Amino acid sequence: GENVEQHPSTLSVQEGDSAVIKCTYSDSASNYFPWYKQELGKRPQLIIDIRSNVGEKKDQRIAVTLNKTAKHFSLHITETQPEDSAVYFCAARGTGRRALTFGSGTRLQVQP
Amino acid sequence: EPEVTQTPSHQVTQMGQEVILRCVPISNHLYFYWYRQILGQKVEFLVSFYNNEISEKSEIFDDQFSVERPDGSNFTLKIRSTKLEDSAMYFCASSDSASGANVLTFGAGSRLTVL
Repeated sequence: GENVEQHPSTLSVQEGDSAVIKCTYSDSASNYFPWYKQELGKRPQLIIDIRSNVGEKKDQRIAVTLNKTAKHFSLHITETQPEDSAVYFCAARGTGRRALTFGSGTRLQVQP
Repeated sequence: EPEVTQTPSHQVTQMGQEVILRCVPISNHLYFYWYRQILGQKVEFLVSFYNNEISEKSEIFDDQFSVERPDGSNFTLKIRSTKLEDSAMYFCASSDSASGANVLTFGAGSRLTVL
């Protein structure tokens, strides 16, 4: 089955700096890669996603890049703010499947 | 904005007891899911449900677990005889048929504590 690795497990940045979180996946047939933000005690919320026919997608301060050859995708947050502090999960979904396989999460701390 | 609602928000039970967690998916969604998250760990897939039957399940979803859509709105997860290791946050999610049913919307979760 699909296996998703996520790094780093924790990331601390200064307000205004950029943050990058990286994930690799094992199933070359995976075609959908969402990123979820989870604040303490809350539900995971979708912040951005990308499909396998696209290499990059941007939404204001958030961007995701996908390298299908290397089977990795990354989340980029620019101009970080304290409210960006949360746990971020990447996920992948294979062709013909419904289930998302999540990475282990990255705890992002933005220091004011 | 439409939401997935879950009840109860927190349930404490004794080991060996049966537990039913309830979910009301978004009304026009056709695909339903249960995920769980043990404290401090990643979100794990349990089961997906479509057209009144299980479409996919993980190794975690063993014979102790079952799902049901008893009416047109509710989607339930039953754990027949709870174990200590079932303690976790259980998230229900749903998605629609548009865009290949990709985008999952999660509920707020039901925290299960097994003593």
